[in-house]
This record gives sequence, structure tokens and C-alpha cells, in this order.
Amino acid sequence: GAGVSQSPSNKVTEKGKDVELRCDPISGHTALYWYRQSLGQGLEFLIYFQGNSAPDKSGLPSDRFSAERTGGSVSTLTIQRTQQEDSAVYLCASTKTGAGNTIYFGEGSWLTVV
Amino acid sequence: RKEVEQDPGPFNVPEGATVAFNCTYSNSASQSFFWYRQDCRKEPKLLMSVYSSGNEDGRFTAQLNRASQYISLLIRDSKLSDSATYLCVVNKLANSGYALNFGKGTSLLVTP
Repeated sequence: GAGVSQSPSNKVTEKGKDVELRCDPISGHTALYWYRQSLGQGLEFLIYFQGNSAPDKSGLPSDRFSAERTGGSVSTLTIQRTQQEDSAVYLCASTKTGAGNTIYFGEGSWLTVV
Repeated sequence: RKEVEQDPGPFNVPEGATVAFNCTYSNSASQSFFWYRQDCRKEPKLLMSVYSSGNEDGRFTAQLNRASQYISLLIRDSKLSDSATYLCVVNKLANSGYALNFGKGTSLLVTP
């Protein structure tokens, strides 16, 4: 597709359940980011993939969070044993390699944990 | 000190006003700078890049002061449609490429 695609767009889950969020970046973009944004808050960096390099996981808030990127394209963010504080919009972004390139965001996956 | 700091606002200005937002960053090795705009419940979108010599795009002017590690965005002749949150973004070299740091954003409300 033309833009970054995320699914599901909305997810309501019960506390304690696992969720998977998917991101399909723009074709040809080697860098992929996951951010989290709680209501009324700024963007919180979670994880960054660049090509075949080891991902930068420094933003993952706990070991319940993990992400992978298969074949250098699609990425999945997994949250295990969800908690209410995990409720947020999870934004994926991609960009071409290089310092000055624009990043493009998907529309986000809105997660509500009840 | 946070990597990217912005005044959260909100800035409430009348239509036609000029408004300026400021941003400071902590890493002197930062290489690229951007302003993004985020509308309510929408994803951030690029407003403009910020170049060392300063740059203008219509009513918007961005400036960078590397010595002071300071970035600014000036909006002239504000429109109602300018109401949004403006995010300062700083790009720095990381171990495996370029990391992006976002400020928490400055909220602007333009009123009739």
C-alpha cells in the first residue's frame, strides 16, 4: 500500500489476555519504529528496527512487551498479560535509511484493556 | 534532562496572530530536526524539516541554533485550521541507525 498500515485499528481486550498488533511499513523503508501514546500524553518510544541490525529495545516498558520484524518488513508488537495501564494508541512508523528522511506514521492501533 | 523539551502550552491565540514555539534538545550530536503536527486522535504528520540556515514554508518559519541546541517554529497569520499539537523531533545517530526523539508537544488553539 501507499502508507504505513496497522491492524487492528481498535482492540478491546480483557486484563490478562495477550494481544498482537501488526504493522506493515511502506515498501522499501528499512527502518521501523513503534511508539505508544496514552491519552493526552506525548509519544513514548518503544522499539526501533533498522535493516538486519539488532533492534533497539530500550523503550520497552516491561518484559511483557516484545516485538519482531520478519523478513525486514512486517512487524508485530506483542503485549502479554495486558494491564489497564497498557491502554493507549500504539503507533508504528517507517522511514528510509538516513538521517534526514521523513518518517511516516500509521493511523495507530487503539488498545483498550478492560 | 529530557532529550527533547517543549513548552506544553496550551497556546490560545486569535485568528491572524503570530505565535512561536520553542524546543530544546540535549544531545549535541543530533543531526536532523523536524516539526510534526498532530491533530486530535490522529497520527503525527510532518510539517517541515528544520535546516541550519533556517527555512520557510508559507506562513511557517523554522529555525535552528546548534550552539544553543534550540529549535523554533513561527506561525504567522494563524488560521483556525492551525489548531493542533506541534511536536519537535530530533534525530540522532544510534548504534544501529538513527533514533528519533519526540518532544511531548505544544498545544495550539486558534480562536475566531
